[in-house]
Amino acid sequence: GQSLEQPSEVTAVEGAIVQINCTYQTSGFYGLSWYQQHDGGAPTFLSYNALDGLEETGRFSSFLSRSDSYGYLLLQELQMKDSASYFCAAIYNFNKFYFGSGTKLNVKP
Amino acid sequence: GAVVSQHPSRVICKSGTSVKIECRSLDFQATTMFWYRQFPKQSLMLMATSNEGSKATYEQGVEKDKFLINHASLTLSTLTVTSAHPEDSSFYICSARDLTGGVNGYTFGSGTRLTVV
Repeated sequence: GQSLEQPSEVTAVEGAIVQINCTYQTSGFYGLSWYQQHDGGAPTFLSYNALDGLEETGRFSSFLSRSDSYGYLLLQELQMKDSASYFCAAIYNFNKFYFGSGTKLNVKP
Repeated sequence: GAVVSQHPSRVICKSGTSVKIECRSLDFQATTMFWYRQFPKQSLMLMATSNEGSKATYEQGVEKDKFLINHASLTLSTLTVTSAHPEDSSFYICSARDLTGGVNGYTFGSGTRLTVV
């Protein structure tokens, strides 16, 4: 499989902005997705980037730089309910998803 | 949106027995489904790609004779964990792609928590 790297844990307060970075391997890379997973639940789709630049979806934005093999998820106006694990997932060869190691986000009052 | 149903949600079995997990696409056809395994506080690891009407392709290090995959129809893939051992205890998740949804069409099942005692 392919290897994607993320920070293991991030802590922030309500209302703050958090950026979660992800680096990936380039061979066969097609695009980068982000998923949220609450404890015991299934991953839910947040965003996707196939081209360089920023994609904005409400409070969440995602960025991709193919030249740097790097992307990030930006969470704004943090809420307590945003406490969860966030995974980047890269699509390779137009078909297979490989997930990053996951970042546990702790939002504090 | 696309819905993927996974059953059972939880199962406890004895060592040495086999367990079957079902993954169904409810409102779309999926020629390809994916099976993942997630150990506590770890990432989702792709185990295999299930192809309708043909053999599954397994990721390196995954025993195909232990994790049997059958994709007999365009809406159903099954994963059978054979001769289960306690180390097989994990969260198993399937996903399927609704081709009409682009990359957003990758939908995950709700997962199956397997405990082998």
